[in-house]
Amino acid sequence: EPEVTQTPSHQVTQMGQEVILRCVPISNHLYFYWYRQILGQKVEFLVSFYNNEISEKSEIFDDQFSVERPDGSNFTLKIRSTKLEDSAMYFCASSEGRGNYNEQFFGPGTRLTVL
Amino acid sequence: AQSVTQPDIHITVSEGASLELRCNYSYGATPYLFWYVQSPGQGLQLLLKYFSGDTLVQGIKGFEAEFKRSQSSFNLRKPSVHWSDAAEYFCALSSGGSYIPTFGRGTSLIVHP
Repeated sequence: EPEVTQTPSHQVTQMGQEVILRCVPISNHLYFYWYRQILGQKVEFLVSFYNNEISEKSEIFDDQFSVERPDGSNFTLKIRSTKLEDSAMYFCASSEGRGNYNEQFFGPGTRLTVL
Repeated sequence: AQSVTQPDIHITVSEGASLELRCNYSYGATPYLFWYVQSPGQGLQLLLKYFSGDTLVQGIKGFEAEFKRSQSSFNLRKPSVHWSDAAEYFCALSSGGSYIPTFGRGTSLIVHP
């Protein structure tokens, strides 16, 4: 069964460093998403991406964040200068279409630890 | 603003016992409601969803949930829990205007043998 994959599973970085989290969505999906979950808190939406551009973003997704689909398979989240409060689990998701009737399939997550 | 509350952070049940995980929501109209499960090392997997119609919805792995508008609830149930059901369970809501789900904090299910 096709699935969303994410690498790495765990990333440790120093405050101020740039990190890139990678995701491979399901191959025929057109919509891509990033969510994060700070330990003990809710899963929060960051951004959605379609047709090589951001279609929706939350207020969490500020100028420190960027997303890219560098090739036909990968979807990346970059954090330019990490802060301690960026430590969280980051989930990538993809869906075939847009809207509530199109299930989002989630990856296993990348745990980011900022020291 | 829409919100989802899962009042229980942890729930412990014995294998074979019945299970109910609570979910309450706040939203002005009829919401789209979801339950996801996250097993260790896995992504969130959709268990079931409610959009309209029959308020009792069946999902995968023997789970069901009942939408109760009067109580603003969408509780998840299973008649007999298996050890493999130990996981984190998330309730989520989205509206007709946005397909982006709002998640609850999650409930961690612990199953004792």
